Amino acid sequence: KQEVTQIPAALSVPEGENLVLNCSFTDSAIYNLQWFRQDPGKGLTSLLLIQSSQREQTSGRLNASLDKSSGRSTLYIAASQPGDSATYLCASPRCTDKLIFGTGTRLQVFP
Amino acid sequence: KAGVTQTPRYLIKTRGQQVTLSCSPISGHRSVSWYQQTPGQGLQFLFEYFSETQRNKGNFPGRFSGRQFSNSRSEMNVSTLELGDSALYLCASSGTNTEAFFGQGTRLTVV
Repeated sequence: KQEVTQIPAALSVPEGENLVLNCSFTDSAIYNLQWFRQDPGKGLTSLLLIQSSQREQTSGRLNASLDKSSGRSTLYIAASQPGDSATYLCASPRCTDKLIFGTGTRLQVFP
Repeated sequence: KAGVTQTPRYLIKTRGQQVTLSCSPISGHRSVSWYQQTPGQGLQFLFEYFSETQRNKGNFPGRFSGRQFSNSRSEMNVSTLELGDSALYLCASSGTNTEAFFGQGTRLTVV
């Protein structure tokens, strides 16, 4: 059974810091891994998708890596801004398109 | 290209009533999944449909049901509502590369 854990659960940092969010999964036979952000009361916004054959993906100030052998994915946010404040979730499909979600990291970036 | 559309955005229902939520996926996407999000349980998978067939089902009572139409639009139904069904219900659609895109959700409040 796939279990996904995210550390830390919450993070509060001043603007401009570079951040690392961690995601661990128990079953390394994953199909892909996806990172999302969620603003309070809203839906999920897809940030990055890493296919199982890839090791990382980049989009703007975001970079996500995937290490299947260690069961870990890392989301790196460069030069954080107050607009980055949100909850960040990682998820992996167990089979078909059923996503198993982590518990999330609640990020607050203050000016 | 339009995103995933969920209607209605907000609902207030009384215990014992039933409710139907609607999800229109991104054009061309054939897979639609539903999730329930509550503060205590996080994001939990309800069911997934692909080409009008339920492909996967989460661990929810039979009061929760769904269906998918030939145009890939999906509905979920909850009968005999309970207070604990109050939650944000999220729908996601995905295409051939399995990247999931979420709607803004339907906030259901049962009183």
